[in-house]
Amino acid sequence: DTEVTQTPKHLVMGMTNKKSLKCEQHMGHRAMYWYKQKAKKPPELMFVYSYEKLSINESVPSRFSPECPNSSLLNLHLHALQPEDSALYLCASSQESAGNQPQHFGDGTRLSIL
Amino acid sequence: DAKTTQPTSMDCAEGRAANLPCNHSTISGNEYVYWYRQIHSQGPQYIIHGLKNNETNEMASLIITEDRKSSTLILPHATLRDTAVYYCIVRPSRTDNYGQNFVFGPGTRLSVLP
Repeated sequence: DTEVTQTPKHLVMGMTNKKSLKCEQHMGHRAMYWYKQKAKKPPELMFVYSYEKLSINESVPSRFSPECPNSSLLNLHLHALQPEDSALYLCASSQESAGNQPQHFGDGTRLSIL
Repeated sequence: DAKTTQPTSMDCAEGRAANLPCNHSTISGNEYVYWYRQIHSQGPQYIIHGLKNNETNEMASLIITEDRKSSTLILPHATLRDTAVYYCIVRPSRTDNYGQNFVFGPGTRLSVLP
């Protein structure tokens, strides 16, 4: 069982829809991350939040909009996505964003864009 | 780009030790070696990490060479449930290196055979 909870597990949406992915952790971690994983590829970092502030945006298109309402929650708002955005979206958290702190991952939201 | 190289795939007999190698010849003195695995349809699972010394936990052992240019993850008694993609990652320990986050390479696909 993972201590990082992601909802929904599966999401199908049209290109004109607006939806949100949610991530929650109750480990007291102060860093949270969004990754994107295409089929048969490794995860790729999208965003890093440290102490509820966005610290890294890895050149992600603006149709992906992250939000960190508090230290336990991380959202990813989706709007006007493209079919190529279909992927597994993974959330992770760590005690801090320092390099000696392991990240703990959720099981992801599998997103399909029609 | 990932700073590690790993075999694409490996097989291991159930009950035997699985030894997964990783080359990180350009590793810096302040970089940790991390191992994760990803079982199909799940998020990456943290296994172990280390800086210089060998490490052991309930899941695995991590052996780092003295020059730190390579390491080996050892699963002492592999089971069918250990079949997964195993990722070796290097990451700096400095707290201000927000940009130096996890970069996943292709990993090693380990198949544990009955």
